[in-house]
Amino acid sequence: QSALTQPASVSGSPGQSITISCSGTSSDVGYNFVSWYQLYPGKVPKLMIFEVSNRPSGVSSRFSGSKSGNTASLTISGLQAEDEAEYYCSSYTSSGTPYVFGSGTKVTVL
Amino acid sequence: QVQLQESGPGLVKPSETLSLTCTVSGGSISNDGYYWSWIRQHPGKDLEWIGHIYYSGSTYYNPSFKSRVTISVDTSKNQFSLKLNSVTAADTAVYYCVSLTSWARSFDYWGQGTLVPVSS
Repeated sequence: QSALTQPASVSGSPGQSITISCSGTSSDVGYNFVSWYQLYPGKVPKLMIFEVSNRPSGVSSRFSGSKSGNTASLTISGLQAEDEAEYYCSSYTSSGTPYVFGSGTKVTVL
Repeated sequence: QVQLQESGPGLVKPSETLSLTCTVSGGSISNDGYYWSWIRQHPGKDLEWIGHIYYSGSTYYNPSFKSRVTISVDTSKNQFSLKLNSVTAADTAVYYCVSLTSWARSFDYWGQGTLVPVSS
């Protein structure tokens, strides 16, 4: 059972924007150490966003992160076929194990 | 660009020890500010942080693994390793070695991952 709650799936048409939510508590998402990862089967997972809203070098500006209270969000703008993957949020937490993950969201490009 | 690569046996029997090694290339494992972690993903897709080690040898483990886990580092080979004792079918997962940045608490670089089935 994941510590952070994400929708199981989100879909959108090419060119549209979609948003994936990641809900937690003040002990985890309440900190500004939320990050997002893109996982393709058989490929190396990729860091997309760190510290809530920062993009690593090389990550498309179509990916953006934000947070409101204890819910973080990843928005993909101008959806492309290559964005079809699983996305996971993660957070540092002050309770129990120091790093927790979300349940994962399958993004489908229609 | 830092790259990580897991290696180890492809199959482990129940009650035995799972052993994996991660080789780091493109950067030094002794780089200040990085922790070297193991994360696993069960077939049901949940990700789970197992623990990490600093190049000095200091470790931090997920309490869920109690005393079953040991992570070690060999700076001369730019490698770190995972040992998980007394495995059961519930330990069947894809195991990833990953770098964790101390300042951002993010997992920056991942290995390809290796599937370790636990079966007799």
